[in-house]
Amino acid sequence: NAGVMQNPRHLVRRRGQEARLRCSPMKGHSHVYWYRQLPEEGLKFMVYLQKENIIDESGMPKERFSAEFPKEGPSILRIQQVVRGDSAAYFCASSPGDRINEKLFFGSGTQLSVL
Amino acid sequence: AQKVTQAQTEISVVEKEDVTLDCVYETRDTTYYLFWYKQPPSGELVFLIRRNSFDEQNEISGRYSWNFQKSTSSFNFTITASQVVDSAVYFCALSAVRETSGSRLTFGEGTQLTVNP
Repeated sequence: NAGVMQNPRHLVRRRGQEARLRCSPMKGHSHVYWYRQLPEEGLKFMVYLQKENIIDESGMPKERFSAEFPKEGPSILRIQQVVRGDSAAYFCASSPGDRINEKLFFGSGTQLSVL
Repeated sequence: AQKVTQAQTEISVVEKEDVTLDCVYETRDTTYYLFWYKQPPSGELVFLIRRNSFDEQNEISGRYSWNFQKSTSSFNFTITASQVVDSAVYFCALSAVRETSGSRLTFGEGTQLTVNP
């Protein structure tokens, strides 16, 4: 079974460009979570999605950031007009969604560097 | 609000030493779950343990053991006879029991463990 797949692994953008990060959950998983890890810091929750629904986006910055998890295809975290402060590792995690407080399965992350 | 504190930013030990990673949490919930994850240099977080707040029994899995003490809001992790392959960042995390949270985790800042040969 393939694990949680994130791509690209590394993404370099110039200030003002858009960044698109993709996450394919494990097979059979319908819940996706996005986390951000800044250098020397722990993981901070950003958004929790189920297929076609955003359940909790309380950790998302109000501007420039958006996320989706369509019926078909991967979940996408989109950052518009990136700034240097967006440079971080972005992790996606998935769970089956059968119950709450399940363990999460994490991808290897996307390292975003903004020049 | 929930909070997880891992006061040890970095720990360095010599192979075969025992090492304990501390985790203290804050929550107003009476029911919650605690987790430990390992992040090796490859970056991917690896699940180690999940424990609910009603189960205060200590758990042992090979060289790993966990000590959950509700009275002190702590969930410490001990590695016995450490090995170089244990070198990683270890995260403690807390999950509230709420439908709208799903399996959302609140992480501590992590402890970088380095095991030297």
